[in-house]
Amino acid sequence: GQNIDQPTEMTATEGAIVQINCTYQTSGFNGLFWYQQHAGEAPTFLSYNVLDGLEEKGRFSSFLSRSKGYSYLLLKELQMKDSASYLCAVSDSNYQLIWGAGTKLIIKP
Amino acid sequence: DVKVTQSSRYLVKRTGEKVFLECVQDMDHENMFWYRQDPGLGLRLIYFSYDVKMKEKGDIPEGYSVSREKKERFSLILESASTNQTSMYLCASSLGDRDLAEQYFGPGTRLTVT
Repeated sequence: GQNIDQPTEMTATEGAIVQINCTYQTSGFNGLFWYQQHAGEAPTFLSYNVLDGLEEKGRFSSFLSRSKGYSYLLLKELQMKDSASYLCAVSDSNYQLIWGAGTKLIIKP
Repeated sequence: DVKVTQSSRYLVKRTGEKVFLECVQDMDHENMFWYRQDPGLGLRLIYFSYDVKMKEKGDIPEGYSVSREKKERFSLILESASTNQTSMYLCASSLGDRDLAEQYFGPGTRLTVT
């Protein structure tokens, strides 16, 4: 079956760095997405990786290793507004998105 | 600015009622999706559509149907609501080729079936 695994919850301190991991087993691979979802709101797009390596976008970076079925989202200089759930999703061989359950990130002052 | 709207943020219905959830996007996107989101589970795809009048089943279509009569509107119908359909329902749209396109989400409808 298809499976996306990510930690349920993580806690970090304001100003610090946090890495949220995502491992996947899917039938085919056509890219990996990261979304941010604040409580009670819609998910919003953060990043997309289809080739191995690191994609940097401001304070957020996303890494992909296709051979390991692994990605991480790196958040630097954490701010209180970064408290949210972070969703990992993989586009499979049919270009359908398979979603992880999300990682709830709690930022403490 | 990209906009996906859903007809209701909160809805309470009784078991057996027919429920309509409406989604409208103003971005001229070809693709539209309906998901449900439950605690501890990832988003699960109910139905999707790549064009007007087209629909395809997702992972959990049982108990649901959809309608796409116009490009901008995608409706989800619960034929006879049941308590296990209590959930957050999210509509999304994306542009053009179905691959590689990021999805834009509406604010969600929290449906409670009593």
